[in-house]
Amino acid sequence: DAGVTQSPTHLIKTRGQQVTLRCSPKSGHDTVSWYQQALGQGPQFIFQYYEEEERQRGNFPDRFSGHQFPNYSSELNVNALLLGDSALYLCASSLEAIWQGSSSGNTIYFGEGSWLTVV
Amino acid sequence: LAKTTQPISMDSYEGQEVNITCSHNNIATNDYITWYQQFPSQGPRFIIQGYKTKVTNEVASLFIPADRKSSTLSLPRVSLSDTAVYYCLVGDVGNQFYFGTGTSLTVIP
Repeated sequence: DAGVTQSPTHLIKTRGQQVTLRCSPKSGHDTVSWYQQALGQGPQFIFQYYEEEERQRGNFPDRFSGHQFPNYSSELNVNALLLGDSALYLCASSLEAIWQGSSSGNTIYFGEGSWLTVV
Repeated sequence: LAKTTQPISMDSYEGQEVNITCSHNNIATNDYITWYQQFPSQGPRFIIQGYKTKVTNEVASLFIPADRKSSTLSLPRVSLSDTAVYYCLVGDVGNQFYFGTGTSLTVIP
């Protein structure tokens, strides 16, 4: 059972360029979230996709956009890269479910991330 | 959006039990409490999840009081490989998760 996979693992871009990061969710999962983690800080929520639509969005500018495909995989696009966009970008997947008040809810699983360096 | 508060850092000797407490005063009825472990340059790894009372798995225990406004992750007999950052998250999968600063645990030989 494959976990969450992300590509590429590392990449270097020049300021002003555009980048696309890719994510394949864990088998059976239909919801994908993206996070940005700067060095020494906790992950910050960018947005979440479900049924090919952006469902929630964190405090990130429109330069950050995404897409979810029918097979539930997802892409994160960042335009007009800034030096401050250098970070580890994490993809997380989960399965949409109705809360049942049980002792075990749904869990989000993370990939190993894509390291983006903007120079 | 439920935010969490954790100690910034903790030190422990190898073989000791470590308890990390997280405060989440505005937890919602539908929210679960989930703990993750993160090593440098890696994605967060799921440790344990609970809704109320006590949950135990092969690596940790999670204690949640009746009011659910806090939770405690218990790591039995830590080893050097448990040195990592531990995050407490509160929410359900339909909402964004707020990570906070996490607790940096250092295990000392």
